[in-house]
Amino acid sequence: GNSVTQMEGPVTLSEEAFLTINCTYTATGYPSLFWYVQYPGEGLQLLLKATKADDKGSNKGFEATYRKETTSFHLEKGSVQVSDSAVYFCALGLSSGSARQLTFGSGTQLTVLP
Amino acid sequence: GAGVSQSPRYKVAKRGQDVALRCDPISGHVSLFWYQQALGQGPEFLTYFQNEAQLDKSGLPSDRFFAERPEGSVSTLKIQRTQQEDSAVYLCASSPLAATDTQYFGPGTRLTVL
Repeated sequence: GNSVTQMEGPVTLSEEAFLTINCTYTATGYPSLFWYVQYPGEGLQLLLKATKADDKGSNKGFEATYRKETTSFHLEKGSVQVSDSAVYFCALGLSSGSARQLTFGSGTQLTVLP
Repeated sequence: GAGVSQSPRYKVAKRGQDVALRCDPISGHVSLFWYQQALGQGPEFLTYFQNEAQLDKSGLPSDRFFAERPEGSVSTLKIQRTQQEDSAVYLCASSPLAATDTQYFGPGTRLTVL
């Protein structure tokens, strides 16, 4: 079946440190890949996405590249801020009844200290 | 316009009670999804609607779970004879077109079954 494996947290970094959150997936077919973020007290928000191999998604300084050969979609940011503290979810989407239900990883809690 | 809204935000039920959770999607969105998120886990797919048609209900954990979207807008997730294992956050998401990738999530309803 389809699954997403995320780097376990929690992750604690100092402000301006480099961030990597690993994500690998197993899927039949050709999934789209997503990173969602959940800030404290808020709902899930799409952070970035990539729809085919070698695509790079980027937003707010975060980047992730769809690597089909390693079935990975690692999230990176060069310099984190305190405001990046949140839970990050990697997800894949496959067509189901003409729509794309999402399969999520278990989430990685990121805390950035000033 | 407004995002996806859900009500109630919090619900406490005694074991054996029936509950109904409401989702108001973004106006005009064709697709609507329900997910269940256990504590410390990623969301898991429950069911999907395209307009008023329920095209996929493969994720509903038992026949105690029932969802409807009679007029293709507001949706209700009903859980009959609640059990403690039903305690979770129930997320609703909508997307504008049947084949679109981006799902917009509501804040969720936190259900606690005592």
